[in-house]
Amino acid sequence: AQSVSQHNHHVILSEAASLELGCNYSYGGTVNLFWYVQYPGQHLQLLLKYFSGDPLVKGIKGFEAEFIKSKFSFNLRKPSVQWSDTAEYFCAVGYNKLIFGAGTRLAVHP
Amino acid sequence: DAGVTQSPTHLIKTRGQQVTLRCSPISGHKSVSWYQQVLGQGPQFIFQYYEKEERGRGNFPDRFSARQFPNYSSELNVNALLLGDSALYLCASSPSPPADNTEAFFGQGTRLTVV
Repeated sequence: AQSVSQHNHHVILSEAASLELGCNYSYGGTVNLFWYVQYPGQHLQLLLKYFSGDPLVKGIKGFEAEFIKSKFSFNLRKPSVQWSDTAEYFCAVGYNKLIFGAGTRLAVHP
Repeated sequence: DAGVTQSPTHLIKTRGQQVTLRCSPISGHKSVSWYQQVLGQGPQFIFQYYEKEERGRGNFPDRFSARQFPNYSSELNVNALLLGDSALYLCASSPSPPADNTEAFFGQGTRLTVV
């Protein structure tokens, strides 16, 4: 069965710390990979996406993700987080429909 | 530009009742998908429609149904509500057919509480 696993359910960081959120997927075929973010009280927004090509993908707000096919992973990174990055982050896989991970709640303290 | 709009934003229903949720996609988008997000979990796919035809269905009981209208708006219907149907229901639209590489744009969701 197709599935997405996010390793960290809750992450607490101080401002300026580096961030890496893990995402592994089980999907038999061509994959489109996404990271979505949900800020408090707001709708899901796309951070970045991978369809093909360069496995290092850059998104909005300084986020990037690396697709490692051999590890079935698509980890999200940011070198220096800000308080405004406090949100819930979802990894998703999909070609015809999206399969989401359970999400990671990130809290950034000033 | 208007994004994906959903109505109502909040809804309280009693067990056994029926509910209809509505979604208007971004102008020009012909594909609409519905997701259920239970507290503490990621969204789960329910339905996808493109050009008024069902293109995908998730693992949900027949109490869940949907349709898409000629103007590409969509309704999600849930019959015989159960307490476990309490969730945030998300609508997403995308510009391309489901087989294309494209991203989904999400609405704010409808928070359904079943009591």
